[in-house]
Amino acid sequence: DIVMTQSPDSLAVSLGERATLNCKSSQSVFFTSNNKNSLAWYQQKPGQPPKLLIYWASTRESGVPDRFSGSGSGTDFTLTISSLQAEDVAVYYCHQYYSSPLTFGQGTKVEIK
Amino acid sequence: QVQLVQSGAEVKKPGASVKVSCTASGYNFTAFALHWVRQAPGQRLEWVGWINTGNGNTKFPQSFQGRVTITRDTSARTSYMELSSLRSEDTAIYYCARGTSGYDYWGQGTLLTVSS
Repeated sequence: DIVMTQSPDSLAVSLGERATLNCKSSQSVFFTSNNKNSLAWYQQKPGQPPKLLIYWASTRESGVPDRFSGSGSGTDFTLTISSLQAEDVAVYYCHQYYSSPLTFGQGTKVEIK
Repeated sequence: QVQLVQSGAEVKKPGASVKVSCTASGYNFTAFALHWVRQAPGQRLEWVGWINTGNGNTKFPQSFQGRVTITRDTSARTSYMELSSLRSEDTAIYYCARGTSGYDYWGQGTLLTVSS
């Protein structure tokens, strides 16, 4: 199984500042047939299902603000919130869909400092 | 608009079975896979399995083999996830979610409580 490990577990950032969230997979999730990384990022707020932010490691889902960006390749990935807003307080999960069983990271909780 | 609507909360005793439904609307049901994902209290998201809504093929993680069944009724635009031999560790919110390269739409979740 591919183990997804996120860091840090929690992060407190001032409004308007940058938040950097990391995700590491125990094996590469690079899909050679399309030259893309099979990695997604989700945002989850209390009492709600997760919301897709990024897929293929760096493609922003329609309607997601451009302050959210994804980067990385192979085994190391980053979600960046360029200017944290109050509504960004949530738990963020990375997710690999490269191989079965599909797996998720443990989440990073983002709060306002 | 795309919607996935799940059945309501369930309370079951250990050893029992549960069947949760997920009804889709607003898109071509058979054009997208449906996955089931659960979230136990304080735990990370856990993939339960998926169904190819076009041909009915399914796949599950080894940890659920033999205990989970996922089906679909194309005329009803509904997928069903049945989990048997329930134990307390199965207490969680169960979600259905659409997609293959990430899940772009999710159901509202179904809370399953397993308790004697």
